[in-house]
Amino acid sequence: AQSVTQLDSHVSVSEGTPVLLRCNYSSSYSPSLFWYVQHPNKGLQLLLKYTSAATLVKGINGFEAEFKKSETSFHLTKPSAHMSDAAEYFCLLGFGNEKLTFGTGTRLTIIP
Amino acid sequence: DTAVSQTPKYLVTQMGNDKSIKCEQNLGHDTMYWYKQDSKKFLKIMFSYNNKELIINETVPNRFSPKSPDKAHLNLHINSLELGDSAVYFCASSQVRDRVLGAFFGQGTRLTVV
Repeated sequence: AQSVTQLDSHVSVSEGTPVLLRCNYSSSYSPSLFWYVQHPNKGLQLLLKYTSAATLVKGINGFEAEFKKSETSFHLTKPSAHMSDAAEYFCLLGFGNEKLTFGTGTRLTIIP
Repeated sequence: DTAVSQTPKYLVTQMGNDKSIKCEQNLGHDTMYWYKQDSKKFLKIMFSYNNKELIINETVPNRFSPKSPDKAHLNLHINSLELGDSAVYFCASSQVRDRVLGAFFGQGTRLTVV
């Protein structure tokens, strides 16, 4: 069975400092992995995705993530946080025709 | 053009009513989904359809019935609405080969049952 775990329910960083949001997965086969962002009362916006090409994936708004098979991880990073990054972030695991499985989400707070 | 569109965006209705949420995707994807996001922001899958065939039916009450008239549409009908059905419902579509190549979500439908 496949599963995805977001290790932190809430992360707070100061503006201008790096962001690290952690995601670990469990999958018997090669997965597809996505990061989505949800701003308050908004829909889900795709930040980036890994579907078996380059393991370091660059996304929108300066975010990137690295697929590490040995660690079964797909952590999301950004070098310098901006106030507009404050939102809920979801890691999504996909495989085959089965369900796309969401992590429980990480709320990112940016401290001015 | 919107890739995955849901209507309506907001839905306020009384307990006991029957309502439908429509979803359409113009991406040519073969798999569509319904997700429910509760007040704690958890996103749980409800249904998955592949080529109009039901693939996944999680532990969802019988009052919820998905209908897929064709590959581009997956509607959600809810009978006898209850207060606990209040949530945001997201439709999604994906294309699958040996792996999921993309996952696209609608903007969500905020359902409020009063």
